[in-house]
This record gives sequence, C-alpha cells and structure tokens, in this order.
Amino acid sequence: GQNIDQPTEMTATEGAIVQINCTYQTSGFNGLFWYQQHAGEAPTFLSYNVLDGLEEKGRFSSFLSRSKGYSYLLLKELQMKDSASYLCAAHDYKLSFGAGTTVTVRA
Amino acid sequence: EPEVTQTPSHQVTQMGQEVILRCVPISNHLYFYWYRQILGQKVEFLVSFYNNEISEKSEIFDDQFSVERPDGSNFTLKIRSTKLEDSAMYFCASGDPTTDNYGYTFGSGTRLTVV
Repeated sequence: GQNIDQPTEMTATEGAIVQINCTYQTSGFNGLFWYQQHAGEAPTFLSYNVLDGLEEKGRFSSFLSRSKGYSYLLLKELQMKDSASYLCAAHDYKLSFGAGTTVTVRA
Repeated sequence: EPEVTQTPSHQVTQMGQEVILRCVPISNHLYFYWYRQILGQKVEFLVSFYNNEISEKSEIFDDQFSVERPDGSNFTLKIRSTKLEDSAMYFCASGDPTTDNYGYTFGSGTRLTVV
C-alpha cells in the first residue's frame, strides 16, 4: 500500500521561507514529485527527485532521502502568488499523492 | 510546450447515465493515466494504460469504469451508470519514462457533476 503524509496547512509572510515536509511509505518507488495546485486547476510540476540530495530550481528547492522515506519542498522569497496547495507524490510509474499542504502567504 | 488536452471542461449528467471523458495525450508519449480528485480531497490514481492495454488499476476502477484508445490520438474514460459519488475532477496525464521527470504532464481536467 501507499502512505504519503504531509501537513495540512502552513502560513507564512511575503518574503519569508517555508519548508513543507513529506514522508512516504510505498511498496514501489522510482522518485518523488512535488506539484503546485491552485483551486479548481490541474497540478503543475515543480520538481522531481530520484537520487538523495537537494535539487534547486530558482526559488524552489526539493530534497529527498530515500533511506528515511522523507522529502521536503523549500519555497524561498515567498510571493502572494505562491498561495496554493502543494502536493507530494511518490512515483511508481503511477503517482500516489499526499493530501496536499495549503500554503497561505500573507502580506 | 506540448499539452494534454481534455474535453469537455465541465460535464453535468443525471445519475444512472453514462459519460465519456476525452483526452488527447502528448503525441510521442506512450503511457497514459486517469486520476480523479473529489472536491476537498487528494488526487487519486484510477488507471494506467500502455501498449493498448491497462497496465495497472486501483480499487476505485471497478466494472463501472473502462478506458479505450479508439484511435492514434484519443484516450477516453467511460463511466457507466454514474452515481452521485462520481462527482469529481478527472485528470488525464501522459508520460514518457525515457525523458527527464518522466515527462509527466496533466491535462486541465474535466469537472464531472452527477445530479
């Protein structure tokens, strides 16, 4: 079975940094995706980690530890437009999603 | 940038009716998927399709559901005898394991409302 856990909600101020943690227990694992989803819209790709370590893409970074079944998404220099749900998904050809973390950015 | 296209964007149907949701995956992708998201809940895997057959399906994907690739471009999800609890956003996705990030791309979704 698949078990993906992430916090339900996080709030931060504009310009700050927020770290969203994700733990996973899956029967098969090829890598870990992070998606952003605005209400009523499709998930949009943010990052994909296959190997342990940190992947940096501009304001967004993602980390993976396969031995610990742990990942995080780091959002830096938060902007109001970053208010959204962030989805952690374990990849085993199909995607198994967590319930999502709603991030609210306040001025 | 290549896109996955889904039609219709919204569908309202009466309970017990059949619906067909349509998807045009990215042309050189070989793996196709359907996911659904009930309002306020997580995205759930329904089925994956490769080489003209189902490669994996979830417990949700029972006899009420079927998928088909009727031609070289379309990929459809049929829901027979719809129930109120089938109301959800249905997302199609396609992927290519030979590319970075598996080329995983989602369509914009079909919002299905069963009344």
